[in-house]
Amino acid sequence: DVKVTQSSRYLVKRTGEKVFLECVQDMDHENMFWYRQDPGLGLRLIYFSYDVKMKEKGDIPEGYSVSREKKERFSLILESASTNQTSMYLCASSSTGTGGQPQHFGDGTRLSIL
Amino acid sequence: GENVEQHPSTLSVQEGDSAVIKCTYSDSASNYFPWYKQELGKRPQLIIDIRSNVGEKKDQRIAVTLNKTAKHFSLHITETQPEDSAVYFCAATLLNTDKLIFGTGTRLQVFP
Repeated sequence: DVKVTQSSRYLVKRTGEKVFLECVQDMDHENMFWYRQDPGLGLRLIYFSYDVKMKEKGDIPEGYSVSREKKERFSLILESASTNQTSMYLCASSSTGTGGQPQHFGDGTRLSIL
Repeated sequence: GENVEQHPSTLSVQEGDSAVIKCTYSDSASNYFPWYKQELGKRPQLIIDIRSNVGEKKDQRIAVTLNKTAKHFSLHITETQPEDSAVYFCAATLLNTDKLIFGTGTRLQVFP
């Protein structure tokens, strides 16, 4: 069974802090994703990585960066946290393959910026 | 770019009734359509998916139908039970990419 683990379930940070959210998957998946989930807006893609050190912007990358130094780990970085980044953050992974592949999600990190 | 619209945003049914959630997509090249269930405080979990070369797929009480011409797909849950209460998300992926575009979700409540 695929396991995607996010380092924190709940996190409280202050405005202006640099925040790191960590995600690890154990299925040797090539693809990893970071989403932001807000009520009424569904899941919005922040960044996508299709290989080590490779990344692609999603729909809402502003204010975020990512790092993928190892295949199993994908980090989301809030360079200077702001209150409008208070949200639920979900990490996911998938294998590659023609025709689309299901994504497997972590439990999420509920981040509050004060 | 690709857009996925999902309706309704909330749905209340009596236990034992059927529930239908509909999604439309904009990119005719989309070829993979998963459905996720997210219970309160938990991760989204894949419950069923369909590919563009198939019109319908069933798994016990849930089924998904796809109409490529009209660019819409639907989730059908029969004989609903209280444990079906959750938020359901549809998604569509683009041809030759591994990215998913999600709908905004449907909150399903099943009353005993």
